[in-house]
Amino acid sequence: AQTVTQSQPEMSVQEAETVTLSCTYDTSESDYYLFWYKQPPSRQMILVIRQEAYKQQNATENRFSVNFQKAAKSFSLKISDSQLGDAAMYFCAYRSGQGAQKLVFGQGTRLTINP
Amino acid sequence: GAGVSQTPSNKVTEKGKYVELRCDPISGHTALYWYRQSLGQGPEFLIYFQGTGAADDSGLPNDRFFAVRPEGSVSTLKIQRTERGDSAVYLCASSPGVMGDTQYFGPGTRLTVL
Repeated sequence: AQTVTQSQPEMSVQEAETVTLSCTYDTSESDYYLFWYKQPPSRQMILVIRQEAYKQQNATENRFSVNFQKAAKSFSLKISDSQLGDAAMYFCAYRSGQGAQKLVFGQGTRLTINP
Repeated sequence: GAGVSQTPSNKVTEKGKYVELRCDPISGHTALYWYRQSLGQGPEFLIYFQGTGAADDSGLPNDRFFAVRPEGSVSTLKIQRTERGDSAVYLCASSPGVMGDTQYFGPGTRLTVL
């Protein structure tokens, strides 16, 4: 079974600075998808960014980018120019490219932005 | 253009009671998922529907949990004989139903079993 590990329960960063959240995963599959979701206190999970494993280029979405290292099974999220609205729980998630359609989530990282 | 909606937002019940949680997916999404999120944890998969049928129910913890999606749209998660350990946030998500597509989540229902 696939597993996702987020080793940083909490992170903090100064407003306007850059922060990187770590995520590693374990799988024997070659075809899969990786996601970062943000969960503010409102509880709603919001997609931040996604990466297809077959793509070598790292995904970017405005201030958010990933460092996808397939061989190392690592998928970190970099947030540039941090804003107060970025404060939330961040979850890394794995989805198989064949068969099971469920998301497998990590334990989450709570990100605090210091003004 | 509405997102995934879930009702009720909060539900408080007593141990042993029956509860129903409702999910309205994004219009046109054929795939629907239920997850459970305990305090301080990431969501855990419960069940996945493709259309009206449960394509994967491997995450349901026991036979007290059941879910339906009779017309391929709205889904109801049903929990019988609730236990205190069932207290959690129940999240629903929907997606277009294409391999690798993005799941869009609702705001969740917080269930508290006293």
